Order: sequence, then C-alpha cells, then structure tokens
Amino acid sequence: NAGVMQNPRHLVRRRGQEARLRCSPMKGHSHVYWYRQLPEEGLKFMVYLQKENIIDESGMPKERFSAEFPKEGPSILRIQQVVRGDSAAYFCASSPQGAERAFFGQGTRLTVV
Amino acid sequence: GQNIDQPTEMTATEGAIVQINCTYQTSGFNGLFWYQQHAGEAPTFLSYNVLDGLEEKGRFSSFLSRSKGYSYLLLKELQMKDSASYLCAVSRAAGNKLTFGGGTRVLVKP
Repeated sequence: NAGVMQNPRHLVRRRGQEARLRCSPMKGHSHVYWYRQLPEEGLKFMVYLQKENIIDESGMPKERFSAEFPKEGPSILRIQQVVRGDSAAYFCASSPQGAERAFFGQGTRLTVV
Repeated sequence: GQNIDQPTEMTATEGAIVQINCTYQTSGFNGLFWYQQHAGEAPTFLSYNVLDGLEEKGRFSSFLSRSKGYSYLLLKELQMKDSASYLCAVSRAAGNKLTFGGGTRVLVKP
C-alpha cells in the first residue's frame, strides 16, 4: 500500500505563472487535507476535501488559490499568477473516513522566481 | 479560534531525556497529535491522545490533561537521529483539520 503521493516534489515557477500540485491519497482514504509550511514555520491548514466536495476551505487565500478532489484522479491544488510569497512547502495528508490519524505526503516545494 | 504554544527550540545531550510542552486553547477538542518532522521531509505521526493520561510507545511518551489544556512529549534515551522538529497539533472534531503549533526544534548533541 503506497503512502500519500505528491508530485512534483520540487516546482519552480516564474512570477505570474500557474502552479499545479497533485496529491494521490492512500488507498481507501477519502479525506484529503492541504497544508502550507513557510520556511521555519509550522504547518497552516488550507483546505479539506472529500471526493467531489470541498468541506472546509477556511485556510485558503480568497484569490488565486483553488482546490479540487474529483471522483477519479488525484486532488489538485492550483495557484494562479504565483507571487514570491507563495514560495513554500505544500503538504497533502489523507485519512480514511472517520479516522483521526492523517498520513502526510512528502510535500511539494514551490519556488517562485 | 485556536491557540497552540510550544517552545521554539530545545537542546539536549545524547542519551538524556527531553520533555516538550504544548499548551492549547480551543473551542471543541477531539484529540492532540504529536508529529516528528526532519528538515525537508514530511511530518510523521508519533502519537495521538484523546483521553487524559500518559501513552507510552517505546522511547516516546505523550501526556494529556484536557482540563489544563496541556500536553507533553517525552523523548527518552535520546539518539542523534532524534534531532528534528516536533509538532503539536489539535483536532476540533472527528475527521476535521489539524491546527499546528509552530513546532519545537530539538537538537541532540553528542
């Protein structure tokens, strides 16, 4: 059983470009969470999704950021018109329905130049 | 809202014991988690406490007091590989998001 898979591991984008971060949850997990970690800081919640539904997006910036978790395929975190401040590690976690323990992926390190 | 506090940094000697404290204030509580995170890597699960008391798992133990909004992670027989950040996180409801503290960077010296 593969763990939570995120790709790419590293992503470099120029200011103004779009960044797409992918997360495949563990087999059997239907809950996906995205967190952002700025250098030398803790993880900050962004969004919580179940298949085809956004459950809680209270941590998402109002503009440029969106997330989806389609019926088929990975969850996608999309950042449009990236700025230098978007440079961070973005972690995805998944959990089975009703479980308390979330497993984290290796993260995508986004660098905006 | 939620407020989670833990020390920024701690230093200890190989073979010693270190206790990392975490205090929290939250409306609704569904458990407290400890994660270990090595630099540049994913957080890995260490422990989950939902009831008061001490949970022991090998060299690592975690304690929770819900009435005091307090937890600690105890690392015994420290090894060099234990040098990492330790993240305290609280869940407010089942299946819900985790709110993390800023993490405690532990440096183990020979």
